[in-house]
Amino acid sequence: GESVGLHLPTLSVQEGDNSIINCAYSNSASDYFIWYKQESGKGPQFIIDIRSNMDKRQGQRVTVLLNKTVKHLSLQIAATQPGDSAVYFCAEGGSGANNLFFGTGTRLTVIP
Amino acid sequence: DVKVTQSSRYLVKRTGEKVFLECVQDMDHENMFWYRQDPGLGLRLIYFSYDVKMKEKGDIPEGYSVSREKKERFSLILESASTNQTSMYLCASSLHHRVISAGELFFGEGSRLTVL
Repeated sequence: GESVGLHLPTLSVQEGDNSIINCAYSNSASDYFIWYKQESGKGPQFIIDIRSNMDKRQGQRVTVLLNKTVKHLSLQIAATQPGDSAVYFCAEGGSGANNLFFGTGTRLTVIP
Repeated sequence: DVKVTQSSRYLVKRTGEKVFLECVQDMDHENMFWYRQDPGLGLRLIYFSYDVKMKEKGDIPEGYSVSREKKERFSLILESASTNQTSMYLCASSLHHRVISAGELFFGEGSRLTVL
């Protein structure tokens, strides 16, 4: 079966530092990956996505890295801010699928 | 901006009651989804719909049914609520039939259901 998991359930960082959130996936057929952010009391919000033909993609203050060899995905947040405190989920999917499989999430806490 | 609205943020029901969770999206999206979110288990797909009157089972459809009579509205129904259905329920929508090609799911803010 598929499993999408995270290496660390919680992460605390100092404001201004960079954050790295990791995710492991087990389905080598997955070719699409998304990171979501979920703030307390809210639904998940899309952050960034990446397809398997890429190994890096950058957004505003965020970078997603994909290592297909070891089935590993990471989200890097530059200059972490208090507003970045949230639970971050990775999700994976396969071409043509209607569904994504979500990891359990990592809680990021930014210390002012 | 896409808006996915879940009508009830918090509900408390008794075992055996029928429960309706309503979800409306305002961007003419084809796909709509119902997930439940539980600590340590992440988001699990209950049902989804890619068109009016169409529905597909997700990973955990048992104990649930859905209704999509209009494109913008997707309802989750618990015919006879049980305590193990206490959870956060999240509705989502996506533009295209194949969510993978669409790139994004847009989520509502969730409905926290407690079954006593």
